[in-house]
Amino acid sequence: DAGITQSPRHKVTETGTPVTLRCHQTENHRYMYWYRQDPGHGLRLIHYSYGVKDTDKGEVSDGYSVSRSKTEDFLLTLESATSSQTSVYFCAIRTGDNTNNEQFFGPGTRLTVL
Amino acid sequence: AQRVTQPEKLLSVFKGAPVELKCNYSYSGSPELFWYVQYSRQRLQLLLRHISRESIKGFTADLNKGETSFHLKKPFAQEEDSAMYYCALSDQAGTALIFGKGTTLSVSS
Repeated sequence: DAGITQSPRHKVTETGTPVTLRCHQTENHRYMYWYRQDPGHGLRLIHYSYGVKDTDKGEVSDGYSVSRSKTEDFLLTLESATSSQTSVYFCAIRTGDNTNNEQFFGPGTRLTVL
Repeated sequence: AQRVTQPEKLLSVFKGAPVELKCNYSYSGSPELFWYVQYSRQRLQLLLRHISRESIKGFTADLNKGETSFHLKKPFAQEEDSAMYYCALSDQAGTALIFGKGTTLSVSS
């Protein structure tokens, strides 16, 4: 499984509460990504990281922040959750080299915001 | 603009029938394209990468630069092929993947 896990796997929270999702890898890959998956939209990139403390925004970054204080962990935070952030969140790592953008995905976190 | 289009939301076929899942892309230069598959409530798994030209689980995909397409094909569908299929394009910077909206393949007996 390329050593990538996500926690929690399921979470139900209320509007306005902060939520942090964790992605953990065991293989020291440089690039890590957060996507959200929604029916009719496919997967959309939220944020990504290209090294410790190096992050950049993706297509749908509003309302989300990320942090990467060590190589193995990439955290996604919803500062004040809204119902529109109900989704399945996937973390991914880039397993390819500089000429190969192959990504390996985590098992996903199903988040429901009531 | 870089974009991936999967025109079909749902494709329903019978077991043993040929399958073609369509993917068109918009990109300047030489694209890097992938097909990912997601079985019910599981993680996405890489199915094919165009450069490798491998056949995985009987699926193949050919890059057609003239038609800007990367259609996924299988000559004889199996029930276990039922899943969501995503076409993805590496962005110009080579850092992120741009996904299509996905096609659900349903194979019935």
